Amino acid sequence: KAGVTQTPRYLIKTRGQQVTLSCSPISGHRSVSWYQQTPGQGLQFLFEYFSETQRNKGNFPGRFSGRQFSNSRSEMNVSTLELGDSALYLCASTQRVGGTGEQYFGPGTRLTVT
Amino acid sequence: AQKITQTQPGMFVQEKEAVTLDCTYDTSDQSYGLFWYKQPSSGEMIFLIYQGSYDEQNATEGRYSLNFQKARKSANLVISASQLGDSAMYFCAMREASKPTNFGNEKLTFGTGTRLTIIP
Repeated sequence: KAGVTQTPRYLIKTRGQQVTLSCSPISGHRSVSWYQQTPGQGLQFLFEYFSETQRNKGNFPGRFSGRQFSNSRSEMNVSTLELGDSALYLCASTQRVGGTGEQYFGPGTRLTVT
Repeated sequence: AQKITQTQPGMFVQEKEAVTLDCTYDTSDQSYGLFWYKQPSSGEMIFLIYQGSYDEQNATEGRYSLNFQKARKSANLVISASQLGDSAMYFCAMREASKPTNFGNEKLTFGTGTRLTIIP
């Protein structure tokens, strides 16, 4: 079974631009969560999607948004990029109801804002 | 609010020795899930082991075992017979429910991690 995939793997953007990151969960997994990892703040929860609905949201400004499609693939968008948005963005998928609880992460997208 | 504490920023261990990575947690919930992840320098978070709060047996996965002491709120990871490839960051994490539901409970709260270095 293929793992969680994220595209692109690396991205360089300029302050003020916007960016869209993509995540495809493991086949059969319907829940996708997003995390931001920085050296200063560690791993922080951004949001969670299940059945195309945002179920939970972390403490991030409105510039961070996301969505989920009917095939469970998810995208997150960051508008008006700031230097502090430079981070590794990770998504994780889980089977949800009926599953045993494991969450599996993708390889991440490393975003650099200059 | 949930909190995960990993008190060992870094550890050096001789190859083939066993190693214990500490994790304590704080929650008022009765139902929760505990995870351990390995993050090599490549950045990918690799799932290692999972323990639900209602699981009576300690979880084991190959060389990994989770020493779950509910009353002490600790969930230490034990790696037996360490290998050079075990060198990485290790993160302990908690989810607010022991099993996934439809109610938006997949948020993981992470500790600050422990950098493990295996010495040949």
